[in-house]
Amino acid sequence: GENVEQHPSTLSVQEGDSAVIKCTYSDSASNYFPWYKQELGKGPQLIIDIRSNVGEKKDQRIAVTLNKTAKHFSLHITETQPEDSAVYFCASSNDMRFGAGTRLTVKP
Amino acid sequence: EAGVAQSPRYKIIEKRQSVAFWCNPISGHATLYWYQQILGQGPKLLIQFQNNGVVDDSQLPKDRFSAERLKGVDSTLKIQPAKLEDSAVYLCASSGTTGSYRGSTDTQYFGPGTRLTVL
Repeated sequence: GENVEQHPSTLSVQEGDSAVIKCTYSDSASNYFPWYKQELGKGPQLIIDIRSNVGEKKDQRIAVTLNKTAKHFSLHITETQPEDSAVYFCASSNDMRFGAGTRLTVKP
Repeated sequence: EAGVAQSPRYKIIEKRQSVAFWCNPISGHATLYWYQQILGQGPKLLIQFQNNGVVDDSQLPKDRFSAERLKGVDSTLKIQPAKLEDSAVYLCASSGTTGSYRGSTDTQYFGPGTRLTVL
């Protein structure tokens, strides 16, 4: 089955800095890669996704890049704010495998 | 638009007891998912329904876990008997996909989850 590896497991940045989270996957047939944000006591919420026919997608301060050859995709958050603090998960489509999560802390 | 509803929010039971969780998906969503999220890990897909049919239950421990989605709307997930390692948050999600393939390329909307503690 698909394996999705996510790094780093924890990330601490100063407010205003950028944060980058990386994921790799193993199934070359995967074609959809969502990113979720999970706050304490809540279910994951989709923040951005990318499909295999594009290499980059941006939505305000959030962007995702995909390298299908290398089988990795990354989440980029610019101008981080304290409210960005949460656990972030990547996932890979075919059988909806999730990464282990990255706990992002944005220090004011 | 109302989100995915789950109940109860918390449940504490002793090992070998039974427990059931309920999920009401977003109105009109054909696909429903149950995930298990152990503390410090990502969600793990247990079962995927398309309307009232099972699309994928390959990771469901069928000796103790069961799920149903009668009438293709609400769903229940049951554990009988529970083990200590079943302590986790059980998440329900739904999407509007009308396909019957494994996984999804449509946005999944998650409920708040049910936190199960098995003592």
